[in-house]
Amino acid sequence: ETGVTQSPTHLIKTRGQQVTLRCSSQSGHNTVSWYQQALGQGPQFIFQYYREEENGRGNFPPRFSGLQFPNYSSELNVNALELDDSALYLCASSASAGVADTQYFGPGTRLTVL
Amino acid sequence: DAKTTQPPSMDCAEGRAANLPCNHSTISGNEYVYWYRQIHSQGPQYIIHGLKNNETNEMASLIITEDRKSSTLILPHATLRDTAVYYCIVRVAGVNRDDKIIFGKGTRLHILP
Repeated sequence: ETGVTQSPTHLIKTRGQQVTLRCSSQSGHNTVSWYQQALGQGPQFIFQYYREEENGRGNFPPRFSGLQFPNYSSELNVNALELDDSALYLCASSASAGVADTQYFGPGTRLTVL
Repeated sequence: DAKTTQPPSMDCAEGRAANLPCNHSTISGNEYVYWYRQIHSQGPQYIIHGLKNNETNEMASLIITEDRKSSTLILPHATLRDTAVYYCIVRVAGVNRDDKIIFGKGTRLHILP
């Protein structure tokens, strides 16, 4: 059984560009949540996908968008990158979308915006 | 805002038990207490969770007070590899079943050789 994987590991972009980050959920999991972690801060919830539909969103602008595919892998897209988007982006998968379903995190993608 | 309060940092001698406290005085009856830890620049690692009863697994024990307003994570024999930021989290069920985890600042645990 493989855990949660994310790609790429590191990424450097310039302001105004667009980026796509990818997450493969753990086997048997149908829910993926995305988090942004700025340096020195705790992770902040971006949104969650449950069975291919957005199932909740944190306080992030619409230029943060996502997708979940039939195999339950997911993408996070960020348009019009800003310097403050530099962060560690984490995805977490869980067996379902509920408080009793443990979320397991991937290793993260480090995004640097110049 | 996070619904938990934790000390910003703690020290523990290697080989001793590390006891990490967490206050969650506004917890409601159907909210779980979860603990994660994060070693520098890695993804958070799930440790343990509980609702009312004390829980134990291969990593740690979770002691929840009877009134559920506080809890303690116990690492029974701390090693240098346990140096990390430990997050105590109350899981909040939102609208449409969304299940955001709200992280606070956590406790930075230093294991001293």
